[in-house]
Amino acid sequence: EAGVAQSPRYKIIEKRQSVAFWCNPISGHATLYWYQQILGQGPKLLIQFQNNGVVDDSQLPKDRFSAERLKGVDSTLKIQPAKLEDSAVYLCASEGLRYEQYFGPGTRLTVT
Amino acid sequence: QQQVKQSPQSLIVQKGGISIINCAYENTAFDYFPWYQQFPGKGPALLIAIRPDVSEKKEGRFTISFNKSAKQFSLHIMDSQPGDSATYFCAASLTGGFKTIFGAGTRLFVKA
Repeated sequence: EAGVAQSPRYKIIEKRQSVAFWCNPISGHATLYWYQQILGQGPKLLIQFQNNGVVDDSQLPKDRFSAERLKGVDSTLKIQPAKLEDSAVYLCASEGLRYEQYFGPGTRLTVT
Repeated sequence: QQQVKQSPQSLIVQKGGISIINCAYENTAFDYFPWYQQFPGKGPALLIAIRPDVSEKKEGRFTISFNKSAKQFSLHIMDSQPGDSATYFCAASLTGGFKTIFGAGTRLFVKA
């Protein structure tokens, strides 16, 4: 069974630029999560999707972050404009039948 | 702010010893408590998880102990091996991964 795929793996941008991350969950997984993991910290939940609907986006900084999951499969997370404090690893996870979350390798974002 | 407090921040254990990591949560509505293992450059991987209707769950060398009244749970790694050297995260969530909160992580080093 293929795992959660994410791209790109690394991205370096200047502050005030925009960036987008892509996630392809495990086939058949209806629930998808985006997390932000700052170096040395635990992942922080940004947004949870159930199929193509948002279940929880209470911790998503909506003035600059947006996410979508069209057709209930792939998802994209966008930051516009980026700030220095957005430097982190962005993790995507999809959920199995027993609520276990499977994480992708993440995208490491550096904002200079 | 709901939190999951994890300790210790780092841990050094001799090969063959027992590694113990502790977590405490605040929200009594949480009903799913997983532990994740993360290697550098990788996403977290689920190790073991427990629900509050049981006090202990064992899978191989990994055991979760759960104390509902104290709102605490812990991970025990028996016969620790150098390959177990990684960062471990506890987490807590409502049913279905809703409102998942991660602890800050424990960096484990197992000395050969």
